[in-house]
Amino acid sequence: KAGVTQTPRYLIKTRGQQVTLSCSPISGHRSVSWYQQTPGQGLQFLFEYFSETQRNKGNFPGRFSGRQFSNSRSEMNVSTLELGDSALYLCASSLYGQGYEQYFGPGTRLTVT
Amino acid sequence: GQQVMQIPQYQHVQEGEDFTTYCNSSTTLSNIQWYKQRPGGHPVFLIQLVKSGEVKKQKRLTFQFGEAKKNSSLHITATQTTDVGTYFCAEGGSGNTGKLIFGQGTTLQVKP
Repeated sequence: KAGVTQTPRYLIKTRGQQVTLSCSPISGHRSVSWYQQTPGQGLQFLFEYFSETQRNKGNFPGRFSGRQFSNSRSEMNVSTLELGDSALYLCASSLYGQGYEQYFGPGTRLTVT
Repeated sequence: GQQVMQIPQYQHVQEGEDFTTYCNSSTTLSNIQWYKQRPGGHPVFLIQLVKSGEVKKQKRLTFQFGEAKKNSSLHITATQTTDVGTYFCAEGGSGNTGKLIFGQGTTLQVKP
């Protein structure tokens, strides 16, 4: 079974721009969660989608948004990028949700200059 | 808000020594998940503990969930260089709709 895939793997953007990251979960998984990982803040939960509905949300500003499609693929968008948004963005899929085993993708390394 | 504290932040050991990381919460945890992230990699699920006092073993790794379900530990016996990485505990929340809250992680370095 193929693992979680994320595209692109690396991205360099300028302050003020926006960015869209993509995640394809493991086949059959309907829960997709997004995390931001930085050396200072660790792994922070952004949001979870299940069957195209946002089920949970972390404490991030409205510039961070996401969506899930009918095939469970998910995208997250960050608008008006700030330097502090530089991070590794990880997507994880699960059969049922966050109370269960999460399968992480390789991540997208975003650098904001 | 909900917080899971993990200690120590870093640990350097000589190959062959044991290693333990601890995860503590001020509130009762629904369940605990443990993940390992190798340098440059992504978190990989190790195990989930659900029951009070639960102990599970995976080869040289022993996972425990406290009787009060407020703490958990991961113990590695006779570390090897392949154990290098960051170990995270995470509270999985209740059922399907809970949030997964990660501890800060313990980074393990193993000197050969």
